[in-house]
Amino acid sequence: AQSVTQLDSHVSVSEGTPVLLRCNYSSSYSPSLFWYVQHPNKGLQLLLKYTSAATLVKGINGFEAEFKKSETSFHLTKPSAHMSDAAEYFCVVEYGNKLVFGAGTILRVKS
Amino acid sequence: DTGVSQDPRHKITKRGQNVTFRCDPISEHNRLYWYRQTLGQGPEFLTYFQNEAQLEKSRLLSDRFSAERPKGSFSTLEIQRTEQGDSAMYLCASSLPTRYYGYTFGSGTRLTVV
Repeated sequence: AQSVTQLDSHVSVSEGTPVLLRCNYSSSYSPSLFWYVQHPNKGLQLLLKYTSAATLVKGINGFEAEFKKSETSFHLTKPSAHMSDAAEYFCVVEYGNKLVFGAGTILRVKS
Repeated sequence: DTGVSQDPRHKITKRGQNVTFRCDPISEHNRLYWYRQTLGQGPEFLTYFQNEAQLEKSRLLSDRFSAERPKGSFSTLEIQRTEQGDSAMYLCASSLPTRYYGYTFGSGTRLTVV
């Protein structure tokens, strides 16, 4: 069965410093993987998706993620955090016709 | 607005009452999904439609829950005899029939059962 583990429930960074949100997945076949962001009282917004094309995936707002099959990881990064990046981030694996979400990582950005 | 619309945004109901939520997907999307998100957790899959056919239901979807998509356009999710444990955010998403395009989520309906 497919599952997703987000290794940190909370991450705190200073504005202008790099962001790393970690995600490991379990899948019996080559998965489709996504990162979604959820701002308070807002819907889920797709940041980026991996669908077995390039292993380095670029998304919106300067985010990118690298698919590493050998490590079963799909970590999300951004070179320089902005205050507006403060939100909850979900790593997601597609399983058949449904999405399986991780528990989420809350990103705090300090000024 | 060409996104996924959900109505109402918030619903407060007394335990034991029935509630119904509506989702209007992106018009060209033939797939529609319902998810439930409780506080501090990621969303969990409830059910999935392709056009008007309900093709998959989670075991989370008890007998008190029913979803319809009568004409393959909007969908409704009804909860009968609500319980306090039903308090959650109910999210709707839609997609095209290929994983390439991803899934578009609505802003959700927050249900509070008192």
